[in-house]
Amino acid sequence: DAGITQSPRYKITETGRQVTLMCHQTWSHSYMFWYRQDLGHGLRLIYYSAAADITDKGEVSDGYVVSRSKTENFPLTLESATRSQTSVYFCASSEPTGLAGGPGFFGPGTRLTVL
Amino acid sequence: LAKTTQPISMDSYEGQEVNITCSHNNIATNDYITWYQQFPSQGPRFIIQGYKTKVTNEVASLFIPADRKSSTLSLPRVSLSDTAVYYCLVATYSSASKIIFGSGTRLSIRP
Repeated sequence: DAGITQSPRYKITETGRQVTLMCHQTWSHSYMFWYRQDLGHGLRLIYYSAAADITDKGEVSDGYVVSRSKTENFPLTLESATRSQTSVYFCASSEPTGLAGGPGFFGPGTRLTVL
Repeated sequence: LAKTTQPISMDSYEGQEVNITCSHNNIATNDYITWYQQFPSQGPRFIIQGYKTKVTNEVASLFIPADRKSSTLSLPRVSLSDTAVYYCLVATYSSASKIIFGSGTRLSIRP
């Protein structure tokens, strides 16, 4: 199916564990993003990538690591999960020529709980 | 960094036209204005985008005055299914790290 998928959709982990959230898009969009959304708040940018092997930090990148070896995949890793990282995580993608100024498509989200 | 300000919440009734205004006083020359809709437990969905004047698509219109310091999302004849949070975003890909969402407007539509 065409689109953007995230896995897992729900994850419960413990403080100190490493967790990887997966994101896959089928359009070959050059830009990909990771956002987190906390209850009752807007979205905050964690990391973004302009192309394969090109990544950069957003406003809340501490404690997170990303990689992008292939255009279609953009995994997000929490190196040592903390309770403050309990959140809903959204992956997004865009082609800048098609939509200047904002992510065009969002995934369904991963709800992460850190105990 | 273009900060956006929107009303926290709005209420309306089915069949009415709803206008949500976003203030972005320090918008940059290269910035575009984008609006998103988000339902509970879902990712945001792109609604409309513009640079200046008026843009219209099948679901909404976007009005941008000449000074571009604000923008208004217009939803014609809303229904219950338009109950959602609406986000205004001002950004450009020349500074992708600055694509930051505000807190959004929670729109509630009543029968």
